Amino acid sequence: SQQGEEDPQALSIQEGENATMNCSYKTSINNLQWYRQNSGRGLVHLILIRSNEREKHSGRLRVTLDTSKKSSSLLITASRAADTASYFCAPCSNDYKLSFGAGTTVTVRA
Amino acid sequence: SAVISQKPSRDICQRGTSLTIQCQVDSQVTMMFWYRQQPGQSLTLIATANQGSEATYESGFVIDKFPISRPNLTFSTLTVSNLSPEDSSIYLCSGGTGTNIQYFGAGTRLSVL
Repeated sequence: SQQGEEDPQALSIQEGENATMNCSYKTSINNLQWYRQNSGRGLVHLILIRSNEREKHSGRLRVTLDTSKKSSSLLITASRAADTASYFCAPCSNDYKLSFGAGTTVTVRA
Repeated sequence: SAVISQKPSRDICQRGTSLTIQCQVDSQVTMMFWYRQQPGQSLTLIATANQGSEATYESGFVIDKFPISRPNLTFSTLTVSNLSPEDSSIYLCSGGTGTNIQYFGAGTRLSVL
């Protein structure tokens, strides 16, 4: 497994605004996943995008994948206080292990 | 999806003692994993728990310090042995299916005095 690198490290936005974070990785992948962690709790799987997909939506989440640039982005639209969390990407190759980077910490201000 | 139950949710232990963390999955999963998250850090994979055989440890983690059992498909334990203050962390278990997606427990917050 390889570690993704999330950018920015931290993001502070007003409730209702959109939040965008990016993930870069180094080698080819089968899929890429995004997870959320609220305040030291367990991670929650948000979305999986396969290497042959370019964009995927789930509710207020939009994920893009550019395999030529080895990068992905996660957009959260119309943010809410409950979106305050750390977000991690996990690029997945041929094994079942996940490796996590430092994540992006998102703070949504009321 | 799978629901992962992990206990205890938190504990405070004395130096030199051990803590065993239990992880129960509500459905059969292919893989089970144990992670450590040190304060302010990301998750680091400790090992893959293998059913009925020795766990597969990642570099920097050894069986003597982190013995792991997985007697069946839905249950695993992690013991953190000979505790020192550096072991103060959150420990998380997860279950994985063939899709690569992992489902996480809520974590065990360990403080070592």
